Amino acid sequence: QKEVEQNSGPLSVPEGAIASLNCTYSDRGSQSFFWYRQYSGKSPELIMSIYSNGDKEDGRFTAQLNKASQYVSLLIRDSQPSDSATYLCAAYRGSTLGRLYFGRGTQLTVWP
Amino acid sequence: GAVVSQHPSRVICKSGTSVKIECRSLDFQATTMFWYRQFPKQSLMLMATSNEGSKATYEQGVEKDKFLINHASLTLSTLTVTSAHPEDSSFYICSATDRISYEQYFGPGTRLTVT
Repeated sequence: QKEVEQNSGPLSVPEGAIASLNCTYSDRGSQSFFWYRQYSGKSPELIMSIYSNGDKEDGRFTAQLNKASQYVSLLIRDSQPSDSATYLCAAYRGSTLGRLYFGRGTQLTVWP
Repeated sequence: GAVVSQHPSRVICKSGTSVKIECRSLDFQATTMFWYRQFPKQSLMLMATSNEGSKATYEQGVEKDKFLINHASLTLSTLTVTSAHPEDSSFYICSATDRISYEQYFGPGTRLTVT
């Protein structure tokens, strides 16, 4: 079983809608979770980090963490065509080296 | 967020030559840096973990003699692709971890083409 699992998609939503991206992880010891956005041909960009159960909001983005269910999600409100990208979920398991375990990514397309 | 630079952004080299890629953390110290490779439409693949002042830790299947990593200071790690071949053509990305938050920041990547 892969450390971090994401629906590969693609996920397609109309402009203005809410995009919901989901992620599960296998290691209960995972401490911190991150969402990255990667545009085609570019490197990943950190957009959200979440460390404790509940919701964390930053602008149009809301990250949700449920450690009991080993589930992390990212909601994008008022989706824009510029949000079209691949979204990567990552988990930090507490290694002193700081290694993150990445999912394969979910491709999101927001159509106007 | 923190800034990680990478140089060069794009390089074309002949088969059999070596190429060096630099990764720098510009506004924070990184005891650990990571090197990834990504082929088109595929996910990130971790190649190695680079630790300042010690030998890199390579992932299974990654040849340490082919992909030489040096982490000489808290802000600089280099990856040298030795005796490059066309199958080494890929997008190489480094990242550095903030020691406090464990947030990992990526460099802009280096697109390597071996002819």
